Amino acid sequence: AQTVTQSQPEMSVQEAETVTLSCTYDTSENNYYLFWYKQPPSRQMILVIRQEAYKQQNATENRFSVNFQKAAKSFSLKISDSQLGDTAMYFCAFFVTDSWGKLQFGAGTQVVVTP
Amino acid sequence: EAGVAQSPRYKIIEKRQSVAFWCNPISGHATLYWYQQILGQGPKLLIQFQNNGVVDDSQLPKDRFSAERLKGVDSTLKIQPAKLEDSAVYLCASSPFAGPEAFFGQGTRLTVV
Repeated sequence: AQTVTQSQPEMSVQEAETVTLSCTYDTSENNYYLFWYKQPPSRQMILVIRQEAYKQQNATENRFSVNFQKAAKSFSLKISDSQLGDTAMYFCAFFVTDSWGKLQFGAGTQVVVTP
Repeated sequence: EAGVAQSPRYKIIEKRQSVAFWCNPISGHATLYWYQQILGQGPKLLIQFQNNGVVDDSQLPKDRFSAERLKGVDSTLKIQPAKLEDSAVYLCASSPFAGPEAFFGQGTRLTVV
């Protein structure tokens, strides 16, 4: 069974500063994907960034980047130049590419960006 | 491209009543997920369809929850009878065959009183 752990219930950051969210996972699989999703108060789950486990290069999407450490089973998200619109719940998610695939989520980290 | 559509957005019912949620996935997406998200927690997978077949319902409380996906397109999730602990947001998501990226609807917030 796979597990996804997010140990930071809430993080606060000032506008324009950088914040890093942590995520660890446990799996015996070799082929999988990792994601960070953002969920604002509207409840719409929005994909922020994805990482394929077979790729060594860390994924980057504009102000969002990840630090993927496969051996340590760690997948952190860095938000640079934080903006007020970044305030949301952030979920780390794990997708294992077995016969049908399953998307599994961590408990989430609430990010609050303050002026 | 139209996104995942869910209805209703909100529902309040009394315990022991029944309720149904509807989801229309993105056109052509073979995989459909229903998740339950209790306040302050991450989404928990209830059931996963591949076309009109169930591939995972291991966490679905089958004594009260049921789901179907007729014709492999839209889906309905039903709770009968509802309990107080069913209060949650119910999220529907879809993805192309075998994923990995899932696209989510806006969810239905259920309150059981």
